[in-house]
Amino acid sequence: SQQGEEDPQALSIQEGENATMNCSYKTSINNLQWYRQNSGRGLVHLILIRSNEREKHSGRLRVTLDTSKKSSSLLITASRAADTASYFCATWGGSYIPTFGRGTSLIVHP
Amino acid sequence: GAVVSQHPSWVICKSGTSVKIECRSLDFQATTMFWYRQFPKQSLMLMATSNEGSKATYEQGVEKDKFLINHASLTLSTLTVTSAHPEDSSFYICSARDKGVGAEAFFGQGTRLTVV
Repeated sequence: SQQGEEDPQALSIQEGENATMNCSYKTSINNLQWYRQNSGRGLVHLILIRSNEREKHSGRLRVTLDTSKKSSSLLITASRAADTASYFCATWGGSYIPTFGRGTSLIVHP
Repeated sequence: GAVVSQHPSWVICKSGTSVKIECRSLDFQATTMFWYRQFPKQSLMLMATSNEGSKATYEQGVEKDKFLINHASLTLSTLTVTSAHPEDSSFYICSARDKGVGAEAFFGQGTRLTVV
């Protein structure tokens, strides 16, 4: 069961630019998490935002959550070539089963 | 965060053989484990949810006789792909959740299965 939908599906930027990815979901959630996946590798947890939070920061990452619009955004500031990866949002609802979106493929050109 | 170890990281097997993938929570007790499958450039699709000591709950369309899941202890779950075929080739990822409502889930490194 797939709930989150990331937008855009692919994003190509230059080093130093900011990258913004969006995630929309359909049902009520308890929290939403963003993950990063390098090609052919496992998932790396980036940040968790709870349903009663609106914004969280972690280093160059900024996540917002708008429960009224059922959407979240991930902003990576001052991007680096090493940020090239796929980024997924995962939502946790009442069942506490993480459900993933399709992901955004980010390419940062040096 | 907590560590989930998945083994092997990659495996190549012949058609018709079975492959076992292990998922271990190293520093916490995982009452619930999830198994996902990911095709190239696709999202993670939940295959099944397993709770320690009970039968796994499979998602619609996932053959339970083909993908055997055993959650024998609070730190170990295994996924066995039986009579593997080339179409079973995929990336399999496990996730383990600690006790407590709303506990965060942690992911293994994934296993790349190639059936030849």
